[in-house]
Amino acid sequence: DTGVSQDPRHKITKRGQNVTFRCDPISEHNRLYWYRQTLGQGPEFLTYFQNEAQLEKSRLLSDRFSAERPKGSFSTLEIQRTEQGDSAMYLCASRQTSEPTVTDTQYFGPGTRLTVL
Amino acid sequence: AQKVTQAQTEISVVEKEDVTLDCVYETRDTTYYLFWYKQPPSGELVFLIRRNSFDEQNEISGRYSWNFQKSTSSFNFTITASQVVDSAVYFCALRGGGYNKLIFGAGTRLAVHP
Repeated sequence: DTGVSQDPRHKITKRGQNVTFRCDPISEHNRLYWYRQTLGQGPEFLTYFQNEAQLEKSRLLSDRFSAERPKGSFSTLEIQRTEQGDSAMYLCASRQTSEPTVTDTQYFGPGTRLTVL
Repeated sequence: AQKVTQAQTEISVVEKEDVTLDCVYETRDTTYYLFWYKQPPSGELVFLIRRNSFDEQNEISGRYSWNFQKSTSSFNFTITASQVVDSAVYFCALRGGGYNKLIFGAGTRLAVHP
């Protein structure tokens, strides 16, 4: 089993530009989560998908943020009109909640580190 | 409300010392799950252990051990005979039974010096 992968690993952008990150979950995991981690803090939940349906969004997810998981496999997180406050590590995690391989554990990818200049 | 507190921001030890990382949680759920993750400098969160609220048995895995006490709402993590490779940020996390998201503490940065 390959783990969760994220692309790119690092992204530097100028304020006002749009950026898009990709997450590939562990194969056949039906739930996919996005978290944001700022320096010196623990990860904070942004949103999650069950298959292609986005079931919950945090208040942290402003209108400039949008996430998709169109075919229930990989997911993208887009930030429009980036601001310096968006600089953070964006982490993706996946989990399986359908039989026969239910797991209560979220497995994380390596993250995408975003720097907004 | 759910909350996780890791009061120790940074801990510095010399190799081979034992070290305990504290985690205190708050939840009103009767069913919940507790986790520890390790975040090395590379940034990836590595899963270490999961405990559910009905299982208070302590667990040992090699040099790692975990002490879960519902009476004090604590889930502490001990590394025995620490090694330089244990240097990382360690996060304690909580998931309530009716929720899907993890609530993380602020993390404890452990530095093990040779």
